[in-house]
Amino acid sequence: DTGVSQDPRHKITKRGQNVTFRCDPISEHNRLYWYRQTLGQGPEFLTYFQNEAQLEKSRLLSDRFSAERPKGSFSTLEIQRTEQGDSAMYLCASSLDPTDTQYFGPGTRLTVL
Amino acid sequence: EDQVTQSPEALRLQEGESSSLNCSYTVSGLRGLFWYRQDPGKGPEFLFTLYSAGEEKEKERLKATLTKKESFLHITAPKPEDSATYLCAVSGAGTALIFGKGTTLSVSS
Repeated sequence: DTGVSQDPRHKITKRGQNVTFRCDPISEHNRLYWYRQTLGQGPEFLTYFQNEAQLEKSRLLSDRFSAERPKGSFSTLEIQRTEQGDSAMYLCASSLDPTDTQYFGPGTRLTVL
Repeated sequence: EDQVTQSPEALRLQEGESSSLNCSYTVSGLRGLFWYRQDPGKGPEFLFTLYSAGEEKEKERLKATLTKKESFLHITAPKPEDSATYLCAVSGAGTALIFGKGTTLSVSS
């Protein structure tokens, strides 16, 4: 049973560029979550999918952020026109309904210059 | 508003010196309380889920307990490899986990 995987692990970009991250959940997990974590803070919820449907989005998720989960498998998180404030660790997690235990991936560290 | 507060922010222990980490929470309709371990630059690693007051779970040197207002993570005879940030999170009415800021544990030999 492989865990949650994320790609890339690190991304450095210039302000104003677009970036896209990928998350592959644990196979058969139908729930997928994106979180953002900054230094010294706990992860903060961004958005949630059940199968291919995006069911919940946080106020933190501005219009520059978009997430998809085609066919209910992997998910992508895109940030358009990146800003320095977007620098953070982006974490993906998955869980199997009905249990609520969420298992996290290794994260993607984004640095916006 | 759902909220999680962890204390202390940082804890330094000598190898073998037992201690406890605290997680106080306010949530409407607790569905579960979760403990994770996070090493620098990595994602959180799941440790325990507790669902109701009075419940306890153990894993090696770690033991988690739950009351109606807080949870404790007891560390017995810690080793240097237990050094990490320990995160507490709750699941309430919403889908998202609400995390505390974590307790950074350093164990020296």
